[in-house]
Amino acid sequence: QVQLQESGPGLVRPSQTLSLTCTVSGGTVSNGAYYWSWVRQHPGKGLEWIGFIYYGGYTSYSPSLKSRLTISVDTSKNQFSLGLNSVTAADTAVYYCASSTSTSAWYVFDYWGQGTLVTVSS
Amino acid sequence: QSALTQPASVSGSPGQSITISCTGTSSDIGGYNYVSWYQQYPGKVPKLMIYDVRNRPSGVPDRFSGSKSGNTASLTISGLQAEDEADYYCSSYRSGNTLVFGGGTKVTVL
Repeated sequence: QVQLQESGPGLVRPSQTLSLTCTVSGGTVSNGAYYWSWVRQHPGKGLEWIGFIYYGGYTSYSPSLKSRLTISVDTSKNQFSLGLNSVTAADTAVYYCASSTSTSAWYVFDYWGQGTLVTVSS
Repeated sequence: QSALTQPASVSGSPGQSITISCTGTSSDIGGYNYVSWYQQYPGKVPKLMIYDVRNRPSGVPDRFSGSKSGNTASLTISGLQAEDEADYYCSSYRSGNTLVFGGGTKVTVL
């Protein structure tokens, strides 16, 4: 069973870059049948898809975030990462990493990390 | 990108059936059978309940069922139980290899 754990700063200054890492256990990021995603949830609001990566490096990003977003994978550490630059208070949210493993369909999230709150504030 | 449209709240009494709708467009729900539903308790992690419109992952009670007609998908909870009180989110694959979520529906068990 795959387990995911987000890590990274809980506070980011406006205009800086938000960087988060998701550590994978119980599976490998280089498994060609798995996909690795990021989802966020603004306080008291709904879920918002951010993007996903496939181990070979293929990525797809939310059109609304694409210009500021980078998702990458580090097979040596069995991790994948999120980078969101030029952040504003509107980027304050709980950030989840999620995986698609059982169905081999990237758009189905069967495992989720616990989520990490990132606050953008000076 | 605009979210899928869900009712803000739905309620029902124990034992009743309720249905949550999720409306999109021909670029998402109407064009693909790739609708999922997630259950989320306050402060907790979302849980996959339905995928590919009507498929249930192992361990999800068969009281939960999904369907789709045109640009609208639905989640039905039959035999409503107190433990079903939670927020429910639909999601759909959208053309361009992207994904969109609904705004969420709060289910209240009266």
